[in-house]
Amino acid sequence: EAGVTQFPSHSVIEKGQTVTLRCDPISGHDNLYWYRRVMGKEIKFLLHFVKESKQDESGMPNNRFLAERTGGTYSTLKVQPAELEDSGVYFCASSQGRTSGRPAQYFGPGTRLTVL
Amino acid sequence: AQSVTQPDIHITVSEGASLELRCNYSYGATPYLFWYVQSPGQGLQLLLKYFSGDTLVQGIKGFEAEFKRSQSSFNLRKPSVHWSDAAEYFCAGPNFGNEKLTFGTGTRLTIIP
Repeated sequence: EAGVTQFPSHSVIEKGQTVTLRCDPISGHDNLYWYRRVMGKEIKFLLHFVKESKQDESGMPNNRFLAERTGGTYSTLKVQPAELEDSGVYFCASSQGRTSGRPAQYFGPGTRLTVL
Repeated sequence: AQSVTQPDIHITVSEGASLELRCNYSYGATPYLFWYVQSPGQGLQLLLKYFSGDTLVQGIKGFEAEFKRSQSSFNLRKPSVHWSDAAEYFCAGPNFGNEKLTFGTGTRLTIIP
């Protein structure tokens, strides 16, 4: 079974440009999450989709970030316009729907974003 | 507030030695807790999880963790480390009422020959 995949693995852009990150969750996982780790800081939650709906977007830093999950499959995270402080590693994770207990989240390899 | 703390930023151990990485949590109820590992150039890999029941949890790669309510801890252990265990380790717990994970700041493990 394929794991969570993310594209690109690295992205280097200039301040003011736009970048779109993509995440493909594990097949059949209804839950999809985005997290971010800024250099030297802890991994922080950005938002959570259940299928195509945004369940929780309390971690989105500002309106320069837009996440979508059309059709409830893959998700994109767009940063427009990018700022220097957006640099970091963006992780995507997915989990099954909750049937009993709390399903574990499985993470992708991350996208390292550098804004110059 | 619900939180997870990893007191050690960096730990160095000799290959073959035992390992214990600390994680403390602050939750009112019994938490769900996880340990993840990030090897160089890799993503976060789930090592093990605690939901309920047995307080000693076995994971992959020979790791185990013990949930101790009295100490609010969920420490990760391995009896004998291998050079390939060099990585960054993260403890994580949930936020009750939603699905997001709260991570500790991570512990970077260095293995010396």
